[in-house]
Amino acid sequence: DAGVTQSPTHLIKTRGQQVTLRCSPKSGHDTVSWYQQALGQGPQFIFQYYEEEERQRGNFPDRFSGHQFPNYSSELNVNALLLGDSALYLCASSSRLVPHEQYFGPGTRLTVT
Amino acid sequence: GNSVTQMEGPVTLSEEAFLTINCTYTATGYPSLFWYVQYPGEGLQLLLKATKADDKGSNKGFEATYRKETTSFHLEKGSVQVSDSAVYFCALSDMHAGGTSYGKLTFGQGTILTVHP
Repeated sequence: DAGVTQSPTHLIKTRGQQVTLRCSPKSGHDTVSWYQQALGQGPQFIFQYYEEEERQRGNFPDRFSGHQFPNYSSELNVNALLLGDSALYLCASSSRLVPHEQYFGPGTRLTVT
Repeated sequence: GNSVTQMEGPVTLSEEAFLTINCTYTATGYPSLFWYVQYPGEGLQLLLKATKADDKGSNKGFEATYRKETTSFHLEKGSVQVSDSAVYFCALSDMHAGGTSYGKLTFGQGTILTVHP
């Protein structure tokens, strides 16, 4: 049983560009959450998708947007990249039946130059 | 809003030493509490959890007890190994009115643990 997978592993972008990160949840999970982990910090909640809609959102600007597909996979899009967007982006999946049990993927390391 | 505070790190111990990493929280209602571990270059792994007051979570020799009166969830291990070297995060999940949760996690800043042979 595959766990949470994310792609790509690493990504280098230039300021002002746009980026799309992808996540496939653990089998049987229907909810996907995204977190940003800056170097040396704990993860910060970006948003959560359930039933293809954004259900909760953290304190992140509208440049951060997402999508959930019918197969429960998800994308995180970041527009107009800033240097401060450089971080590890983590995807976590869970089941609506046990929402507090979050399984994390290995993350995508985004570097903005 | 919810917040989690962990003891300042890093923590450096010799193998077989006793480990304590302090964690306190601020939250409304009765959140679930978690410890996650992050090994170098990897994502987060759930280490243990407790969902109500006085619950004790345990896994791989690690333990933590949900103390509502002191709003704490300190992580302990009686004898650490070199393989325990990692970053440890304390976290809590949100709790809405009526006791429901969507699972949004609030994390502490993490504590780096290094264990020497």
